Amino acid sequence: DIVLTQSPGTLSLSPGERATLSCRASQSVSSSYLAWYQHKPGQAPRLLIYGASSRATGIPDRFSGSGSGTDFTLTISRLEPEDFAVYYCQHYGSSPQTFGQGTKLEIK
Amino acid sequence: EVQLVQSGAEVKKPGESLKISCKGSGYSFTSYWIGWVRQMPGKGLEWMGIIYPGDSDTRYSPSFEGQVTISADKSISTAYLQWSSLKASDTAMYYCARLGAAAILPLNWFDPWGQGTLVTVSS
Repeated sequence: DIVLTQSPGTLSLSPGERATLSCRASQSVSSSYLAWYQHKPGQAPRLLIYGASSRATGIPDRFSGSGSGTDFTLTISRLEPEDFAVYYCQHYGSSPQTFGQGTKLEIK
Repeated sequence: EVQLVQSGAEVKKPGESLKISCKGSGYSFTSYWIGWVRQMPGKGLEWMGIIYPGDSDTRYSPSFEGQVTISADKSISTAYLQWSSLKASDTAMYYCARLGAAAILPLNWFDPWGQGTLVTVSS
């Protein structure tokens, strides 16, 4: 199974700052089959990025994804108050399609 | 509009059986894989397994194989997650989610998601 390790576990930033979240895979993720989700308490997770770098429908362009192979990054260029949440990466190139353990983005 | 609507919260005792549901609408139910994701209290998301309603091809995470059963009834566009004997450790929020594109192979992200079903197992 591919293990995804996200870092940092918690990221404390202020609105307007730039956030950089990392997702590292234990083996290469084929064809960049990697997605990012945002999860807020009491809500269903929301797809942000698929294919490592393609934004999902309706996602603001301050969210961007990059990377390939074993190292992937989600960048939020300028944090808005509604961006503070937990973020998960997920690979979907083989079964089981595991999630990372999450990065909590909190207001500093 | 594509929607997944899950059944309501459940409170059960250890040893009881349970089947929760996820009804899809607004798309061709038989053409998209549907999966289940667990979130235990205070923990992260865990991929449990997926099913292709078109032919009932099912894939499980090794962590969940034998512990739960994933099924689908294409006549009513509904996927299910069931337990034969619940444990306290099954207490969690369970989400269903559709894979993002119609495909025979499950090489897709999850989008959209259902609203979640909270399962509480307590004596």
